Amino acid sequence: DSGVTQTPKHLITATGQRVTLRCSPRSGDLSVYWYQQSLDQGLQFLIQYYNGEERAKGNILERFSAQQFPDLHSELNLSSLELGDSALYFCASSPPLGEGGETQYFGPGTRLLVL
Amino acid sequence: DQQVKQNSPSLRVQEGRISILNCDYTNSMFDYFLWYKKYPAEGPTFLISISSIKDKNEDGRFTVFLNKSAKHLSLHIVPSQPGDSAVYFCAASDSNFGNEKLTFGTGTRLTIIP
Repeated sequence: DSGVTQTPKHLITATGQRVTLRCSPRSGDLSVYWYQQSLDQGLQFLIQYYNGEERAKGNILERFSAQQFPDLHSELNLSSLELGDSALYFCASSPPLGEGGETQYFGPGTRLLVL
Repeated sequence: DQQVKQNSPSLRVQEGRISILNCDYTNSMFDYFLWYKKYPAEGPTFLISISSIKDKNEDGRFTVFLNKSAKHLSLHIVPSQPGDSAVYFCAASDSNFGNEKLTFGTGTRLTIIP
């Protein structure tokens, strides 16, 4: 157990709909990252938040948005869903910048299926 | 543009033998590299890392080698055990803080044969 929690575990929805994925980081971690893993692909970095502020952006579509709240949990909003958005979405967290910590700690993921 | 490549989608190794997983990268700005292990229905878990100032890092049965001139790294597992069967991802970072901005490879599925 990494200490990172994600809800829901599974989500099935229809094209054109909007969903919200939720992530709670490990206690003390200020950074939250979102990744997308499509079938047989590596993890694609979407976006990073640090202490409530957007810190880095990756290959995130305009239909997707995220935020990090004062209690440090984060939500990833996916709208106007398409079949190709079906994927595993992982959240990760890491310790405060410069405070060591070799890695990011990943949650179990949310499996999204768009029908 | 795949900046981190794992060219072997799968690898089968006999229990007790050495497993060698390979990873190549193209971005010369990458200066920190990590290996993650992933079991089905779980998130990736950190295995071992290496900074670009080193060419080798060991942790128990796991050793990572870095060849900067060839832009190549490898993970050695000795001896391989059935519990090592998983998908292994190589990741790289060009951030001042090594645990940020990770670029992942597509993974290698390692199967340890009893």
